[in-house]
Amino acid sequence: QKEVEQDPGPLSVPEGAIVSLNCTYSNSAFQYFMWYRQYSRKGPELLMYTYSSGNKEDGRFTAQVDKSSKYISLFIRDSQPSDSATYLCAMGGEWNRDDKIIFGKGTRLHILP
Amino acid sequence: GAGVSQSPRYKVAKRGQDVALRCDPISGHVSLFWYQQALGQGPEFLTYFQNEAQLDKSGLPSDRFFAERPEGSVSTLKIQRTQQEDSAVYLCASSLVVQGPGEQFFGPGTRLTVL
Repeated sequence: QKEVEQDPGPLSVPEGAIVSLNCTYSNSAFQYFMWYRQYSRKGPELLMYTYSSGNKEDGRFTAQVDKSSKYISLFIRDSQPSDSATYLCAMGGEWNRDDKIIFGKGTRLHILP
Repeated sequence: GAGVSQSPRYKVAKRGQDVALRCDPISGHVSLFWYQQALGQGPEFLTYFQNEAQLDKSGLPSDRFFAERPEGSVSTLKIQRTQQEDSAVYLCASSLVVQGPGEQFFGPGTRLTVL
């Protein structure tokens, strides 16, 4: 079992719908959690970053972390065709020279106009 | 200012050839990371530099992989005697912070195809 599990999709939803993306993890040492968006033939870009359980909202995006269940989610409200991309969850423990970020496989999302 | 740039964007190599991939991080960024992203997978950590010091190279898959950052700015990832399993996108990222969680800014990647 990999440390971070993420359904690769693809996930297709109509424009305007609420999108829910999820990851599960096995390492209880992970303390910070991120969501990256990656467009085709581009590098990942950071969308959201959280350092504790609970919710964090930024515009149309909400990140949710449940450390007791080792489960994180990203919600996208009022989805737009421009949201079509691969969404990568990523996580890490206390940041030090020995730590590294572990990425999920990524979920391919298609927003249908 | 400019983001992280990588060159070449695409590289085709015959099996057994050596390749060198270049990363220009954002000016002033102390930390630099290399990742390997296979098709349909997330990025996997290869190595990490803090200025010119290579502090972690635990993700390099074999001794055919070598990375350097001699002046603490531009970095080169070299792969010797390339194999087909080396085919992937190689991503470089840089970060301003030395310690503590910080945002990594990624370049567009170099897509390496080994025939």
